Amino acid sequence: NAGVTQTPKFQVLKTGQSMTLQCAQDMNHNSMYWYRQDPGMGLRLIYYSASEGTTDKGEVPNGYNVSRLNKREFSLRLESAAPSQTSVYFCASSEGLAGNTDTQYFGPGTRLTVL
Amino acid sequence: QKEVEQNSGPLSVPEGAIASLNCTYSDRGSQSFFWYRQYSGKSPELIMSIYSNGDKEDGRFTAQLNKASQYVSLLIRDSQPSDSATYLCAVFLSSASKIIFGSGTRLSIRP
Repeated sequence: NAGVTQTPKFQVLKTGQSMTLQCAQDMNHNSMYWYRQDPGMGLRLIYYSASEGTTDKGEVPNGYNVSRLNKREFSLRLESAAPSQTSVYFCASSEGLAGNTDTQYFGPGTRLTVL
Repeated sequence: QKEVEQNSGPLSVPEGAIASLNCTYSDRGSQSFFWYRQYSGKSPELIMSIYSNGDKEDGRFTAQLNKASQYVSLLIRDSQPSDSATYLCAVFLSSASKIIFGSGTRLSIRP
């Protein structure tokens, strides 16, 4: 099992460009999450999907959109990138049986730089 | 007050000693608590989860939970250089219905 995979690993964008970060999990998990991690800020939740067909805003959703394509895949889209969105983005998944209180498994991350 | 607070460190501990990492949280109704380890440039990985007051041991790691005082700690016995990493505390906040991560404590084990 690959666990949680993310593409791309690195990306450089110019201000105003758009892009989609892809995430897939092969653990048959119900819940999936997108976080960003900035120095000294810890992990901040952008969006999450408690189950296939549902998505909800997290702590910092502005400037992002998500799509839960199916049970395996959860994508994050930046419509018009800004320098403030320079960060490391992590996707995570969990079984989701306990109301989002269960263990989360993280992907390797995407390092995004917006110039 | 932050919802989940950790001392950012760095915390420097000699090899073989006990490393003690602390975390406080704001929501008295929280019921699920997690410790993740994150090596530089890598993704977080779960070390321990704890749900009840008291201690929970797993190998060299012990998680301690005190709900009355609203803190959770992680003890690492016989610290090894491979334990050098950032340790993230995560709490499921009942008031927000989501897991909130602390900013992490950087631990350095010196030989």
